[in-house]
Amino acid sequence: ETGVTQTPRHLVMGMTNKKSLKCEQHLGHNAMYWYKQSAKKPLELMFVYNFKEQTENNSVPSRFSPECPNSSHLFLHLHTLQPEDSALYLCASSQDRSNTGELFFGEGSRLTVL
Amino acid sequence: AQSVAQPEDQVNVAEGNPLTVKCTYSVSGNPYLFWYVQYPNRGLQFLLKYITGDNLVKGSYGFEAEFNKSQTSFHLKKPSALVSDSALYFCAVRDKGNTGKLIFGQGTTLQVKP
Repeated sequence: ETGVTQTPRHLVMGMTNKKSLKCEQHLGHNAMYWYKQSAKKPLELMFVYNFKEQTENNSVPSRFSPECPNSSHLFLHLHTLQPEDSALYLCASSQDRSNTGELFFGEGSRLTVL
Repeated sequence: AQSVAQPEDQVNVAEGNPLTVKCTYSVSGNPYLFWYVQYPNRGLQFLLKYITGDNLVKGSYGFEAEFNKSQTSFHLKKPSALVSDSALYFCAVRDKGNTGKLIFGQGTTLQVKP
């Protein structure tokens, strides 16, 4: 138990569906992240939020839309996805954006796009 | 640009033998380095980090890592491997900019055989 909870753990959706991934952290952290992990590829940073403000969008397609209503919650809204978007989506948090602090990861949401 | 490299896709070791998982880095200035482990169908778990101080860093589950500035390396080590250590290991460097993001290597699969 890392203190970062992701739901759902598994999601199957069609290309025309709209769904959302949820992440909640109980660590009192101020920074939250979305990473994408695909088979045979390095982890890709997607978005960074610090104190609810987006500080990084790593050239992510607009079919992925993040939302951070407060420092404890982070969402990833999905619509009109492509099969190549199938991956494990990992949420993480850290105390802040300082360079010395480690990230705490959730268990991930396994997304399959049909 | 900052980066890390893990030259081995897979490392095989017999239980009870010492193990080493290699990592080299490329950064400007002093690096902030991290090791994470990922078990099947799970998120990433923090093992240890180097920020400053002693070059030998001790972490969770008996793992340690040695920071070598001249060789720009941060190899992960354990004196006696366990079958339960079998997992995917990631080396990472923390971005020096304002985002605080972690930049990951491609990962090394450790296989410990009885």
